[in-house]
Amino acid sequence: RKEVEQDPGPFNVPEGATVAFNCTYSNSASQSFFWYRQDCRKEPKLLMSVYSSGNEDGRFTAQLNRASQYISLLIRDSKLSDSATYLCAVNIGGDDKIIFGKGTRLHILP
Amino acid sequence: GAVVSQHPSWVICKSGTSVKIECRSLDFQATTMFWYRQFPKQSLMLMATSNEGSKATYEQGVEKDKFLINHASLTLSTLTVTSAHPEDSSFYICSARGGGTYNEQFFGPGTRLTVL
Repeated sequence: RKEVEQDPGPFNVPEGATVAFNCTYSNSASQSFFWYRQDCRKEPKLLMSVYSSGNEDGRFTAQLNRASQYISLLIRDSKLSDSATYLCAVNIGGDDKIIFGKGTRLHILP
Repeated sequence: GAVVSQHPSWVICKSGTSVKIECRSLDFQATTMFWYRQFPKQSLMLMATSNEGSKATYEQGVEKDKFLINHASLTLSTLTVTSAHPEDSSFYICSARGGGTYNEQFFGPGTRLTVL
């Protein structure tokens, strides 16, 4: 099992819809979790850290399920500008490293 | 806050030359910096972890003599691709940790290297 796995997509979603993706991780000792957004030919930008209790930032909600070892990202009222690749990232417990998933491509359709 | 710069943003060089890429944390002290490589439509691959004042830790399969990393200060790390070949052409991205509350990494804008 890969350390961090994501559905590569693409997810083609009409503007205004709600979309959610999950990311599973294999190391139960993982401590920190993040969602990054990467636009084509650009660097990843931190979207949000994922807290144990879940967190919300505007239209974006992140959840952590430790029992099932996954994190999720929910985007409500999707905008055309949300089109990007969304990378989940997991800090492997006791290690400085963050391991990235391969990303989920999202296309918001007008 | 948490701005990371990278220079140059792109470089084209002949096979056999060495290329140096700089990564700077502009508004925070980076306890750790990371170097990644990303080929088109593929995921970020961690190459090495760099701590100020100590030797870099390289990931399996990454040649330390080919990819020289120097982390001279808390705000600067450099990656030198020595004797670059066409297969080294890639998007090299650095990230720095130390400017966030939850162990986040903040990425530089990346350097696109093309080796002819």
